Amino acid sequence: EAGVTQFPSHSVIEKGQTVTLRCDPISGHDNLYWYRRVMGKEIKFLLHFVKESKQDESGMPNNRFLAERTGGTYSTLKVQPAELEDSGVYFCASSQPLADLNEQFFGPGTRLTVL
Amino acid sequence: ELKVEQNPLFLSMQEGKNYTIYCNYSTTSDRLYWYRQDPGKSLESLFVLLSNGAVKQEGRLMASLDTKARLSTLHITAAVHDLSATYFCAVGVAGGTSYGKLTFGQGTILTVHP
Repeated sequence: EAGVTQFPSHSVIEKGQTVTLRCDPISGHDNLYWYRRVMGKEIKFLLHFVKESKQDESGMPNNRFLAERTGGTYSTLKVQPAELEDSGVYFCASSQPLADLNEQFFGPGTRLTVL
Repeated sequence: ELKVEQNPLFLSMQEGKNYTIYCNYSTTSDRLYWYRQDPGKSLESLFVLLSNGAVKQEGRLMASLDTKARLSTLHITAAVHDLSATYFCAVGVAGGTSYGKLTFGQGTILTVHP
C-alpha cells in the first residue's frame, strides 16, 4: 500500500513568489492534515480536512496560506506571496475515517526555502 | 493552550545502555503518540497510547502513559546504533468526530555511539 506522498520534496523561491505544495494521502483516508516545522521549532498543526471540508484551520498563520482539497482526494497548500518566515518543512498526514486511534501517517515533507 | 515538553532534547548514548525520554503535557488527553524521524524522512508511527497505564513494547523500545501525571515515557533498552534518530511525542485532543490535530513536543535527537 502506498504511503502519503508529497510534491515537491524541495522548493526554493524568492520572497514575493507563489508556491503550491501537493499532498496525496493514503487511499481511503478521509482525514488529511497539514503541519509545518520551522527551523528549530516544534512541528505545528496548520489545518485538518475531513474529505473536502475544512474541519479545523486554526493553525493557518495568515491569509497568505490557502489550502484546498477538491473532491476529497489530494490536497494543495498555496503560499502567496511567500515571506522569509514561511521557510520550513511542510508535512502532510492522513488517517482513517472515524478511527478511534486516529493514527496519523506522515509524508516525507516538502522543504520550502524562501530567499 | 496545550503545551507538550520533551526532555532531554539531545541524548548521546553508548551502545548497550538504557535510557528514558520523558514527555510532559499540560492538559487532559488520553491519546499519546510516539513518532520516530530519520534525517530527511517522514515521521514513522511507533506507538499509540490510549489510556492511563497503557504500556506498549516493540523491540528495544517501550512506551508508557500516566494520564494523571500527564506524562509519557519512552524507554530504550540496550541501545544499538540503528536507534539513532529524532523521537517525537504528540498529544491528540478530542474534537468532533475524531481526535484531530496533534500537538508535538520539541523532539529528542538520539545518537547512539559504539
